[in-house]
Amino acid sequence: DTEVTQTPKHLVMGMTNKKSLKCEQHMGHRAMYWYKQKAKKPPELMFVYSYEKLSINESVPSRFSPECPNSSLLNLHLHALQPEDSALYLCASSQIPLLRGPGYGYTFGSGTRLTVV
Amino acid sequence: TQLLEQSPQFLSIQEGENLTVYCNSSSVFSSLQWYRQEPGEGPVLLVTVVTGGEVKKLKRLTFQFGDARKDSSLHITAAQPGDTGLYLCAGAGGTSYGKLTFGQGTILTVHP
Repeated sequence: DTEVTQTPKHLVMGMTNKKSLKCEQHMGHRAMYWYKQKAKKPPELMFVYSYEKLSINESVPSRFSPECPNSSLLNLHLHALQPEDSALYLCASSQIPLLRGPGYGYTFGSGTRLTVV
Repeated sequence: TQLLEQSPQFLSIQEGENLTVYCNSSSVFSSLQWYRQEPGEGPVLLVTVVTGGEVKKLKRLTFQFGDARKDSSLHITAAQPGDTGLYLCAGAGGTSYGKLTFGQGTILTVHP
């Protein structure tokens, strides 16, 4: 299995809703990432999990809450989002974190297209 | 803050033409990665270059890492409509410890 699987593929939520995005990989990768991407722009890093521990939080608002239940799963819990949070949310994984070695590329999932209404 | 300047931002060419995309920085990177992304999908890793001066070929794509590990280029020979997409370079290491620095991307359109 060489994929990162993200669900759901599309999500429409109101500003008062609570929802979760899910990400799964079975490649034995020990680093997992959440990115936010606006149309025709590069991905922006949100969180990095290294060996199931949160190692980087890029000053993301608390309405985004990440969780890493085990080495294969990564969740992003959403609450009280704003319309400007609408974007493609990408999960990625890499064999080991960049802290340990620079030569490992990322495997990205197909993303969740989130629309906040 | 490390920056990766990627150029050109947009490229519209005819099938069969050659093209080059550049990524430049004033900072040294441990490695440089190139990704291609299609609409509605996540980026797909094309190549990782680690050694200064390294050249890697992937069919019609040639990737080069500068000797000083501050710049990289992607050259596509005889472009095809299937090459259309967003191309992203991303640098690892340096002062952005533990995370990738992405270039702004190049939107390539290859017309039949």
